[in-house]
Amino acid sequence: GNSVTQMEGPVTLSEEAFLTINCTYTATGYPSLFWYVQYPGEGLQLLLKATKADDKGSNKGFEATYRKETTSFHLEKGSVQVSDSAVYFCALTTGSARQLTFGSGTQLTVLP
Amino acid sequence: DTAVSQTPKYLVTQMGNDKSIKCEQNLGHDTMYWYKQDSKKFLKIMFSYNNKELIINETVPNRFSPKSPDKAHLNLHINSLELGDSAVYFCASSLRMNTEAFFGQGTRLTVV
Repeated sequence: GNSVTQMEGPVTLSEEAFLTINCTYTATGYPSLFWYVQYPGEGLQLLLKATKADDKGSNKGFEATYRKETTSFHLEKGSVQVSDSAVYFCALTTGSARQLTFGSGTQLTVLP
Repeated sequence: DTAVSQTPKYLVTQMGNDKSIKCEQNLGHDTMYWYKQDSKKFLKIMFSYNNKELIINETVPNRFSPKSPDKAHLNLHINSLELGDSAVYFCASSLRMNTEAFFGQGTRLTVV
């Protein structure tokens, strides 16, 4: 079956620090990979995605590269802001899947 | 124009009551979902419908009943509410079962 493992949080960083949130997966078939962000009191929003190996998804300064050899899709940002404080979810789906498979979420807090 | 909208945003009710949460999407998607998010932000899928057909019916109490009158609507009715039902409930939709999902803003249910 499909599964997603995210680095455990919470993660606390100072503004302008470098961010990495690790995500690894197991999947039957060739997955599409996603990062979602959930700001306080809101629903999940799609942050970025990658649909094939070596693709890089990017949005709002965040990036993640689909690494088939390491089955990973780590989220990175070079310089975080207080407004990036949120919960981040890694997710995947495959051609035969009936739903997205989500990781457990990583709470990020950025301090001024 | 909100893509996935659910109402109400907050719901406070007493144990034993029956309540409904409504969800509508204007994206023309075929698939709709209900998720439950617990206090640790863990997301658990409850139900999914594809073209009004029930596809996923996870292990949830039969006090929870989804209803999809058409492809654009998926409502959740909960009978005999219990304290443990307190959570945030998210509606989502996707173009097909194996594509990225778009989420509503959530309904925070508090049972007292």
